[in-house]
Amino acid sequence: EAQVTQNPRYLITVTGKKLTVTCSQNMNHEYMSWYRQDPGLGLRQIYYSMNVEVTDKGDVPEGYKVSRKEKRNFPLILESPSPNQTSLYFCASSLPDRTGELFFGEGSRLTVL
Amino acid sequence: SQQGEEDPQALSIQEGENATMNCSYKTSINNLQWYRQNSGRGLVHLILIRSNEREKHSGRLRVTLDTSKKSSSLLITASRAADTASYFCAMGLFNTNAGKSTFGDGTTLTVKP
Repeated sequence: EAQVTQNPRYLITVTGKKLTVTCSQNMNHEYMSWYRQDPGLGLRQIYYSMNVEVTDKGDVPEGYKVSRKEKRNFPLILESPSPNQTSLYFCASSLPDRTGELFFGEGSRLTVL
Repeated sequence: SQQGEEDPQALSIQEGENATMNCSYKTSINNLQWYRQNSGRGLVHLILIRSNEREKHSGRLRVTLDTSKKSSSLLITASRAADTASYFCAMGLFNTNAGKSTFGDGTTLTVKP
């Protein structure tokens, strides 16, 4: 089954404790992206990757890192989480053709205390 | 970034009625997509309309695009309780800004049985 898998789905952590949210897709998509969703602010793009070893900033990259060492994986790293990073995070992937249809994971709800 | 705005923010209708939601954007686009999100879940692609198209249909969905007004609308006909969800427009992906994408703030649709 074609899917985008995120882990963990739920996480409560404390300020400053490094964490990684993993994202994996099995559709051989070149493009992957991370978004955060906050009430009243819609979805905002954090980072994206057009292909392996190619990453770029979205609209809200501060406090986040990403890497794309292999095509299927695109982890989101919070080196020193802060309470303002409490949010619902989504990973998505797509073939970079003219359609650009995004396939989303089920989301990771992160709470930073 | 190519910011998108949607209206109304919330819409409540009776089953069987039609639901219309609108999306406006600021800069030129190659295509515009509509997504659906059930509460707290990942977004699901509904329909894409290209900049050279004015109207597109898919089942009970009808999407229009007016590039001169930089606006799009999504019409759901004969709505059902199962259509209750949030609906987002998305633009910009694989446009001039390559991997950047922008989502509208969403319309929350409630369909009462």
